[in-house]
Amino acid sequence: AQSVTQLDSHVSVSEGTPVLLRCNYSSSYSPSLFWYVQHPNKGLQLLLKYTSAATLVKGINGFEAEFKKSETSFHLTKPSAHMSDAAEYFCVVTLLIMGAGNMLTFGGGTRLMVKP
Amino acid sequence: GAGVSQSPRYKVAKRGQDVALRCDPISGHVSLFWYQQALGQGPEFLTYFQNEAQLDKSGLPSDRFFAERPEGSVSTLKIQRTQQEDSAVYLCASRRGQGAFRDTEAFFGQGTRLTVV
Repeated sequence: AQSVTQLDSHVSVSEGTPVLLRCNYSSSYSPSLFWYVQHPNKGLQLLLKYTSAATLVKGINGFEAEFKKSETSFHLTKPSAHMSDAAEYFCVVTLLIMGAGNMLTFGGGTRLMVKP
Repeated sequence: GAGVSQSPRYKVAKRGQDVALRCDPISGHVSLFWYQQALGQGPEFLTYFQNEAQLDKSGLPSDRFFAERPEGSVSTLKIQRTQQEDSAVYLCASRRGQGAFRDTEAFFGQGTRLTVV
């Protein structure tokens, strides 16, 4: 079975400083990993995904994440936070095997707050 | 429309009342998922459809929950005899493909916020 743990429920940064949102996963098979963002009263939006190609994945809005198999981690980073980045972020894992594990498994979420 | 549409956006139900939540997926999308998101938590899987077939309903919390997708497009999640613990946001997602997620993205609707009083 797969699972995902987001190590921080809340992260607060100042505008213009780096962002680090941590995620560790557990999966019996080679995982696909995703980061989704959820702004208030809006649907979940895909930021980026790892699907066994390059380990450093670039996403939208300047976010990127690095897949580290040895550490079973997939941390999300951004060099410089913007006020509009304030939202809830979810790390998500699913199985790579065709036809199996068709659900996405979500972490508990990290609320990112950006101070002016 | 261009995205996944859910209705109603908000629903207040009295305890014991039956409710029906609707999901209009993106046209042509084969896969459809329902998730439940309690306040302050991540979404949790409820059920999965591939076209009209419900292939996985392992996440449905009780037999009060029932989902259908009779023609392989619109889906309805029905909750009978609602309880306070059913209060949550119910999210629907659709994907063009089926099976592994590596090739096609899942698109989420804005959800239906259900409050049981």
